[in-house]
Amino acid sequence: SQTIHQWPATLVQPVGSPLSLECTVEGTSNPNLYWYRQAAGRGLQLLFYSIGIDQISSEVPQNLSASRPQDRQFILSSKKLLLSDSGFYLCAWSVRRPGANVLTFGAGSRLTVL
Amino acid sequence: AQSVTQPDIHITVSEGASLELRCNYSYGATPYLFWYVQSPGQGLQLLLKYFSGDTLVQGIKGFEAEFKRSQSSFNLRKPSVHWSDAAEYFCAVSGGGGSQGNLIFGKGTKLSVKP
Repeated sequence: SQTIHQWPATLVQPVGSPLSLECTVEGTSNPNLYWYRQAAGRGLQLLFYSIGIDQISSEVPQNLSASRPQDRQFILSSKKLLLSDSGFYLCAWSVRRPGANVLTFGAGSRLTVL
Repeated sequence: AQSVTQPDIHITVSEGASLELRCNYSYGATPYLFWYVQSPGQGLQLLLKYFSGDTLVQGIKGFEAEFKRSQSSFNLRKPSVHWSDAAEYFCAVSGGGGSQGNLIFGKGTKLSVKP
């Protein structure tokens, strides 16, 4: 069966520090991968999605970037964190095909920027 | 542009009572619709989905939802709520077709259950 892992689960970082959140998927090949951010009272916002290695689309201009160094690994990064980057970050995967796909989410990473 | 509206930010129901969570969507073609549930500090779990066919769909944990095209709605229902149903519920829409499966989420409805 497929599983998705995110780490770290919780992170407290000072303003201006770098960030790296990792997500890996097991038990499947060539998945679509997604990063969402959940801020209080704002629902889930799609940040990035990827349909393959080096194929990453950014949905929202921001202080963050994403990379996909391997087929089943998706990394969310920042060079210098802002206070507004605080939130709950969720990675998700789906089968790679056009159209409606069921997204399966990881357990999330809680980021607090102080 | 696609959008999802969940009009109720917070709902409280008594255990054993029935539940209906509202969801309205905006999309130009036939949407693909989803309901997810999130327990505090956790990821999202799929409750049910609608792609086509029967407009009343059954999901896990005794939930069901009905797609009403004329009302652009996809309301979630449960006949008898259990204390373990306390969580946040998200409705989502996907564009299908040539999209990459990206989901647009509503802002969520937090459900509290009174004993």
